[in-house]
Amino acid sequence: QQQVKQSPQSLIVQKGGISIINCAYENTAFDYFPWYQQFPGKGPALLIAIRPDVSEKKEGRFTISFNKSAKQFSLHIMDSQPGDSATYFCAARKGRGNAGNMLTFGGGTRLMVKP
Amino acid sequence: GAVVSQHPSRVICKSGTSVKIECRSLDFQATTMFWYRQFPKQSLMLMATSNEGSKATYEQGVEKDKFLINHASLTLSTLTVTSAHPEDSSFYICSASGTPDNSPLHFGNGTRLTVT
Repeated sequence: QQQVKQSPQSLIVQKGGISIINCAYENTAFDYFPWYQQFPGKGPALLIAIRPDVSEKKEGRFTISFNKSAKQFSLHIMDSQPGDSATYFCAARKGRGNAGNMLTFGGGTRLMVKP
Repeated sequence: GAVVSQHPSRVICKSGTSVKIECRSLDFQATTMFWYRQFPKQSLMLMATSNEGSKATYEQGVEKDKFLINHASLTLSTLTVTSAHPEDSSFYICSASGTPDNSPLHFGNGTRLTVT
């Protein structure tokens, strides 16, 4: 059972455009929703994260929108740049405690920003 | 920020040999470390969770005798792929968390294992 569904699988955006990646989750016990950026041959790097008591969080060009009732959250990359081309993963964490730090990942979105 | 160091970044070995991958937390004590496997163009698949000083918890379908995990200290966890076969070739990534609550997981840079 896929607990976190991510779409689209791939995305092509022109430089300066807005990249939007969506995720939906099923388990209401999830309490922390990070986004990771991964470049080829590298580990995922934490980009931005949100908790369900907040509807939006912005850090620079990256914004997370969170809809608790719909169990959906999305990543918006404003003014997308070629250097943003990477694979993006949404994730969700359930509960507290060390075991609760285990993340459930979405399937990933390969973003290509064309110059 | 928190740094997780993984070594080696790449390793090529022959079938039947064993390979050890190290995961270190450099500026914090990691009570829990996680080991993931990632196939090309796919998401991360959790293999096991290790807590310092105790046996690792393996996900369903992961052979614990094949993938030996040791978390002997608060800064080091190791994954040993025993009797490696070509189908074990993959990208292995560790992550670590320093506190039980509210801490984001930090990932190592991964190890590309190729078994010939």
